[in-house]
Amino acid sequence: GDSVTQTEGLVTLTKGLPVMLNCTYQTTYSPFLFWYVQHLNEAPKLLLKSSTDNKRTEHQGFYATLHKSSSSFHLQKSSVQLSDSALYFCALSLDRGSALGRLHFGAGTQLIVIP
Amino acid sequence: AQTIHQWPVAEIKAVGSPLSLGCTIKGKSSPNLYWYWQATGGTLQQLFYSITVGQVESVVQLNLSASRPKDDQFILSTEKLLLSHSGFYLCAWTQGNTEVFFGKGTRLTVV
Repeated sequence: GDSVTQTEGLVTLTKGLPVMLNCTYQTTYSPFLFWYVQHLNEAPKLLLKSSTDNKRTEHQGFYATLHKSSSSFHLQKSSVQLSDSALYFCALSLDRGSALGRLHFGAGTQLIVIP
Repeated sequence: AQTIHQWPVAEIKAVGSPLSLGCTIKGKSSPNLYWYWQATGGTLQQLFYSITVGQVESVVQLNLSASRPKDDQFILSTEKLLLSHSGFYLCAWTQGNTEVFFGKGTRLTVV
């Protein structure tokens, strides 16, 4: 079936260091991949999205590249800030020609940035 | 611009009591609407979706039901709450496969 795997449940980093949050997916359909960020007691907000193979997408210092050959969409940032502390979700939507737009979410990765 | 409004913001309810959560979207006609549930610190679980008035499909029931009485309104309810219903409930809408937009959510605590 269709699924998303995030291998790290918790990542703790010192401010200024680089980060990579892993995301791999499984599907037989053409994928749309998303990264959502959720701060405490807030709704998830879209951070990045992509459906184009091997093209880097960037927003707010974060970037990711969809690699269909390895079914991956890892989230990276070169220098994390305290304000980046949040829960990050990778999500998969499938182009089945349907208007449903159902998202399959990964388990989430909690990023904690310390001074 | 589209706006999505959820009510109430938070609820504390007793086990066995009824529940009704609401969601309204403005500025978008015939949206696809969704209910998601999130345990504290957990992932987002899609509960229901609706692509048109009066039509709701269940993904995971969790002893909850949903209705879409109007094009811009989506209601989540149950007649009898369980402790396991505690969590964060999010209403969302989408345009095809491009992006899902979430409301601000309702924090439910069942005691």
